[in-house]
Amino acid sequence: AQSVTQLDSQVPVFEEAPVELRCNYSSSVSVYLFWYVQYPNQGLQLLLKYLSGSTLVKGINGFEAEFNKSQTSFHLRKPSVHISDTAEYFCAVSDRRNTGKLIFGQGTTLQVKP
Amino acid sequence: DVKVTQSSRYLVKRTGEKVFLECVQDMDHENMFWYRQDPGLGLRLIYFSYDVKMKEKGDIPEGYSVSREKKERFSLILESASTNQTSMYLCASSFPTTGELFFGEGSRLTVL
Repeated sequence: AQSVTQLDSQVPVFEEAPVELRCNYSSSVSVYLFWYVQYPNQGLQLLLKYLSGSTLVKGINGFEAEFNKSQTSFHLRKPSVHISDTAEYFCAVSDRRNTGKLIFGQGTTLQVKP
Repeated sequence: DVKVTQSSRYLVKRTGEKVFLECVQDMDHENMFWYRQDPGLGLRLIYFSYDVKMKEKGDIPEGYSVSREKKERFSLILESASTNQTSMYLCASSFPTTGELFFGEGSRLTVL
C-alpha cells in the first residue's frame, strides 16, 4: 500500500519570497508522483508530474519539484511567489502497475502575504 | 481542453434522502473516479471505474454506490444520506496509462 504525507498543513510566506512545500511518500513499488493545485471554489488542476527520466521536474506557473528516491520525497519549490499562488496544494502518488488510482496527501495551504 | 462536468455545485439534502451526483467527461477517458475532500484529510477515494459497468471500491466506499452505464458518465449515489456525508465531492477522469487525473469543479453537499 502507498501513502503520502505532506509535512506542513499551512505555509505562510511573503510575496516574492521563495517557498518549499514538502511531500514524503511510502511505497513498496515504483511510483509516479504528482502535484496538484486547488484555487478557492475550484477543482484540482495538475501542476507537474514525475513519470520517469530527469528527477527535476518543471511545471506550470514557475513551480518545480525534485524526486528523491533515497529519501522518498517529492518537494515542490518556487523561487519567488505571487499573491495569486495562494491556494491549496496536494501531493499524490500512483502505483506504476495501476496508474489509474492516485493516493493524495492531506494538502498544504500556501498563504502568500503582501 | 478536457472537460469534466459535475451536475450540481451546491446541494442541500435532509438525512435519509437519496442523493445522486452526476459527472460527465468529454475526452473518452476509460477511468473515472469519485473522491471526497474534507479539511485536514485531503482527498479520499470512494469508488472508481475503469470501464463501462465496471467499478471498484476505493478507500471509503461505505454508504455510497456508483453507476457507469455509459463511458462518459459516472454517477455517485448516496442511498440514505447522513450528516457525516456532508463534504465536497470531486469527480475525475483519466486515461489508464498516464496517471494524470482531470477534475471537475466539485459538488458541495450539505446533509441536514
